[in-house]
Amino acid sequence: NAGVTQTPKFQVLKTGQSMTLQCAQDMNHNSMYWYRQDPGMGLRLIYYSASEGTTDKGEVPNGYNVSRLNKREFSLRLESAAPSQTSVYFCASVSGGSNYGYTFGSGTRLTVV
Amino acid sequence: GENVEQHPSTLSVQEGDSAVIKCTYSDSASNYFPWYKQELGKRPQLIIDIRSNVGEKKDQRIAVTLNKTAKHFSLHITETQPEDSAVYFCAASARGGGNKLTFGTGTQLKVEL
Repeated sequence: NAGVTQTPKFQVLKTGQSMTLQCAQDMNHNSMYWYRQDPGMGLRLIYYSASEGTTDKGEVPNGYNVSRLNKREFSLRLESAAPSQTSVYFCASVSGGSNYGYTFGSGTRLTVV
Repeated sequence: GENVEQHPSTLSVQEGDSAVIKCTYSDSASNYFPWYKQELGKRPQLIIDIRSNVGEKKDQRIAVTLNKTAKHFSLHITETQPEDSAVYFCAASARGGGNKLTFGTGTQLKVEL
């Protein structure tokens, strides 16, 4: 039982390049989330998927797209990376219902130069 | 949308002393309030949570209190130890709406010997 797995752990991109961050959970959770973490700003929600087949914008969605590929996988895509997207990205999941406790992945540290 | 404010941003205590971190929220519909601990370079991990039908919850040396009328909640750590040094985040969520968590900006707790 691996929990929430994110890949890659580290990435350096040049401005304008694209990439996809992968996230998979093996806990049969319904809801999945992408957050970014910047110094002094806590964790801010980029996009989320309340259930398989649905996705919605969070607080800071500009410059990102997501895909809920199936119940296990939720990917985050940067189409044209910008230095402002330098951050640590966390994927999280939760079962829903009466259990609200998130499980986080180990994070992806992204640098855009 | 929900707005969560967290204070202080940094807190330094002597080993064995108590530490208190406070958060306020804006959305009266919020009914779930977790606290996460994040060690340097690691993922956030849930340490305690409270629902709106409860005023206080304890788990060994940590406790959380909730004042729904004033829309604030607090984390209390007693008998602090060096391993309590970390960044602590509060968060709030309203039932439904995809169980989205809105996080505070974090408190860097340092426990000095």
